[in-house]
Amino acid sequence: EAGVTQSPTHLIKTRGQQATLRCSPISGHTSVYWYQQALGLGLQFLLWYDEGEERNRGNFPPRFSGRQFPNYSSELNVNALELEDSALYLCASIRERSTDTQYFGPGTRLTVL
Amino acid sequence: AQSVAQPEDQVNVAEGNPLTVKCTYSVSGNPYLFWYVQYPNRGLQFLLKYITGDNLVKGSYGFEAEFNKSQTSFHLKKPSALVSDSALYFCAVRDLDSSASKIIFGSGTRLSIRP
Repeated sequence: EAGVTQSPTHLIKTRGQQATLRCSPISGHTSVYWYQQALGLGLQFLLWYDEGEERNRGNFPPRFSGRQFPNYSSELNVNALELEDSALYLCASIRERSTDTQYFGPGTRLTVL
Repeated sequence: AQSVAQPEDQVNVAEGNPLTVKCTYSVSGNPYLFWYVQYPNRGLQFLLKYITGDNLVKGSYGFEAEFNKSQTSFHLKKPSALVSDSALYFCAVRDLDSSASKIIFGSGTRLSIRP
């Protein structure tokens, strides 16, 4: 069974540009979470999508947005990039309404110059 | 509201000694608790989880965690540390009684095992 995949592995942008990060969940998982991890520190909750809808979002500005597609894959968009957006962005998937385990992808390293 | 705290930024242990990484939580309902490990430049790997039942949960790589409801804690333990256990460890919690409850993580504890 394939795990959670994320693309691209690395992304380099300049200030003011837009970044798009992608995540494909484990087959059978309907829910996708996005987290930001800056400087190898803690995980900050960004967004939670389930069955195509946004269920919750963390304390991030509106320029962080995303969506979930009918096949449950997800996209995270960051507009008007700022230097402090440089981080590892982790996606995780889980089968909701169960006591299943959340599994993580390898992450996308976003660098803003 | 739910929260999780890892009070120690770093834990240093000699190889062969027992280790403990602390985690405390706060939820309104019943907790669903996890431990994950992260190696440099990698995603998080699942170690173990507690839902219900036996308070001592055994997981991967010889790790175990003890759920203590009265102290609202879920400390990660290992009887004999290995140098290869050196990594960043995260505790996470979810409120099982809330359908809108998200999974949130602690700030992480860096475990360093010296030879």
